[in-house]
Amino acid sequence: AQRVTQPEKLLSVFKGAPVELKCNYSYSGSPELFWYVQYSRQRLQLLLRHISRESIKGFTADLNKGETSFHLKKPFAQEEDSAMYYCALSGRFGNNRLAFGKGNQVVVIP
Amino acid sequence: GAGVSQSPRYKVAKRGQDVALRCDPISGHVSLFWYQQALGQGPEFLTYFQNEAQLDKSGLPSDRFFAERPEGSVSTLKIQRTQQEDSAVYLCASSPGTVQNQPQHFGDGTRLSIL
Repeated sequence: AQRVTQPEKLLSVFKGAPVELKCNYSYSGSPELFWYVQYSRQRLQLLLRHISRESIKGFTADLNKGETSFHLKKPFAQEEDSAMYYCALSGRFGNNRLAFGKGNQVVVIP
Repeated sequence: GAGVSQSPRYKVAKRGQDVALRCDPISGHVSLFWYQQALGQGPEFLTYFQNEAQLDKSGLPSDRFFAERPEGSVSTLKIQRTQQEDSAVYLCASSPGTVQNQPQHFGDGTRLSIL
C-alpha cells in the first residue's frame, strides 16, 4: 500500500527564515513525488515534481529513496509563501492517481 | 474555459437526499479523477476515468457513490441517500494523458454539507 506522511500540521516561520516541510512515503515500487500548494481562496495547484528537478518560487525538493523522503525546502521564506502544502505520490497503479499527505499549513510572519 | 470547472461550489442537503456534482475538465484531457477531502485531511482518491471508461473505482466508499463520464468529457459524481459522513469537499482533477508523472489540474471543488 502507498502512504504519504507529513508529520507537522502547522509551521510558523519568520520572513527570511528557512522553511523545510517534511514528507516521507511508503511505496514498494518507483513512485513519482509531487508537492501541491493551495493558497488562500485558490485551487490546489502543482508546485513541483521530483522528475523535473527544478526550483519553483525558490522551493526545491530532493527525492531520497534510501530514506523514502521528499522534503520541501526554501532558504528564505516570503509572506506570499503562506499556504497549505501537500506532498503527493503517484505509483504504478495502472493509472496516475495521487495519494496525498494530510498537508502542512505554513504561516510566514512578517 | 481555461481550467477545470466544478458545480455547484456549495451544496447543502438533508440526510437521505441524493446529490449530483458536476465536473468540466480541461478540453481534450483524457484522464479525470475524483477526490474526497474531509476537513483537516488531504484529498483521498475516489475514482478514475480514461476518456469514458471508468478504469478504477476502488476508492468509492460505498455503493451509494456512483460516477460517470458518458462522452469522455463532463463527469458527474452522484451520491445517493446521503449521510453526514459524506460531508466533505469533492475535488475533480484532469490531466492530458495517462503518463504517471503528468501533473493533475484541479477544480475549485464542491463543498458538500449534509444536515
